[in-house]
Amino acid sequence: KAGVTQTPRYLIKTRGQQVTLSCSPISGHRSVSWYQQTPGQGLQFLFEYFSETQRNKGNFPGRFSGRQFSNSRSEMNVSTLELGDSALYLCASRAGDRNTEAFFGQGTRLTVV
Amino acid sequence: AQSVTQLGSHVSVSEGALVLLRCNYSSSVPPYLFWYVQYPNQGLQLLLKYTTGATLVKGINGFEAEFKKSETSFHLTKPSAHMSDAAEYFCAVTSSGNTPLVFGKGTRLSVIA
Repeated sequence: KAGVTQTPRYLIKTRGQQVTLSCSPISGHRSVSWYQQTPGQGLQFLFEYFSETQRNKGNFPGRFSGRQFSNSRSEMNVSTLELGDSALYLCASRAGDRNTEAFFGQGTRLTVV
Repeated sequence: AQSVTQLGSHVSVSEGALVLLRCNYSSSVPPYLFWYVQYPNQGLQLLLKYTTGATLVKGINGFEAEFKKSETSFHLTKPSAHMSDAAEYFCAVTSSGNTPLVFGKGTRLSVIA
């Protein structure tokens, strides 16, 4: 069974631009969560989608948004990029409500210059 | 709200020595607890999990952890450190399959030859 796939692995963007990151969960998994990882703040929860609906949301500004498609693939978008958005963005999938463990992708390293 | 505290941002051990990484959690409901490992520029890999039942949990690569409710702890141990164990380790807690994982700040493990 293929794991969680995130694309692209690396991105360099300029301040003010927007970016879209993609995540394909493990086949059959319905929940996709996004996390931002930085040296200073550690792992911070962005949002979770389950069956195409946002189920949980972290404390991030509205510039951060996401969506989930009917095949469970998810995208997150960051608009008007700031230098502080430079981070490793991790996607995690879970099978369903009865499954608490999350399986993570390799992450997308975003650098904002 | 749930939270995780990992004591020691950096732990250094000699090869062959005992590894002990500390994790304390706060939760108003029975917790589900996890340890993840992260190698440089990689995602998180699940080491082990506690859901219900046996409080001593065995994971991959010779790691184990013991859930102690009275101490609100879930410390990670390995009897004999190997050079390949050098990585960052994260403890996480959640209350169910439809709530996000909350992570500790992480502990970087160095193994000295």
